[in-house]
Amino acid sequence: EAGVTQFPSHSVIEKGQTVTLRCDPISGHDNLYWYRRVMGKEIKFLLHFVKESKQDESGMPNNRFLAERTGGTYSTLKVQPAELEDSGVYFCASSGTYLPNTGELFFGEGSRLTVL
Amino acid sequence: AQKITQTQPGMFVQEKEAVTLDCTYDTSDPSYGLFWYKQPSSGEMIFLIYQGSYDQQNATEGRYSLNFQKARKSANLVISASQLGDSAMYFCAMRRVGQLTFGSGTQLTVLP
Repeated sequence: EAGVTQFPSHSVIEKGQTVTLRCDPISGHDNLYWYRRVMGKEIKFLLHFVKESKQDESGMPNNRFLAERTGGTYSTLKVQPAELEDSGVYFCASSGTYLPNTGELFFGEGSRLTVL
Repeated sequence: AQKITQTQPGMFVQEKEAVTLDCTYDTSDPSYGLFWYKQPSSGEMIFLIYQGSYDQQNATEGRYSLNFQKARKSANLVISASQLGDSAMYFCAMRRVGQLTFGSGTQLTVLP
């Protein structure tokens, strides 16, 4: 069974440009999460999809970030325009059940974003 | 608000010895889940072990065990018989209402 896959693994862009990160969750997983780790800081929650709906987007830092999950399968996270402080590793995770306090999250390998 | 604290930025352990990675948490919710993840240099986050707040017994998964002390709000990870492949960053996390709150991580280095 394929795990959570993310693309690209590493992206280097200039300030002001646009980047789109993609996440393919484990097949059949309705719950999809985005997290990010900015250099030297904790891994922070960004948002949570249940199928195609945004269940919780309280962690999205600002309106330069747009996440979509059309059709409830893969998800994209677009940063437009990118700023220096957006550099970090963006993780995607999925889970098959939505039990608020239980259940394992399966993580992808992350997409490293470097904004110059 | 929830908070996870890992006070050991780096730890060293001799191969084949046991090591304890500390984790304390703060929450006012009676129901929560505690997780440990391993992140090797390759970058992926690997699930290690889970403990539910209502679980009566400490969780164990192979060489990993979670020393859960609810009254002290601690959830330390114990790795027995360390192996060179255990060298990685280890994150403690708490899950509530669908999202995880992570600690800052502990970099474990296993020495030959």
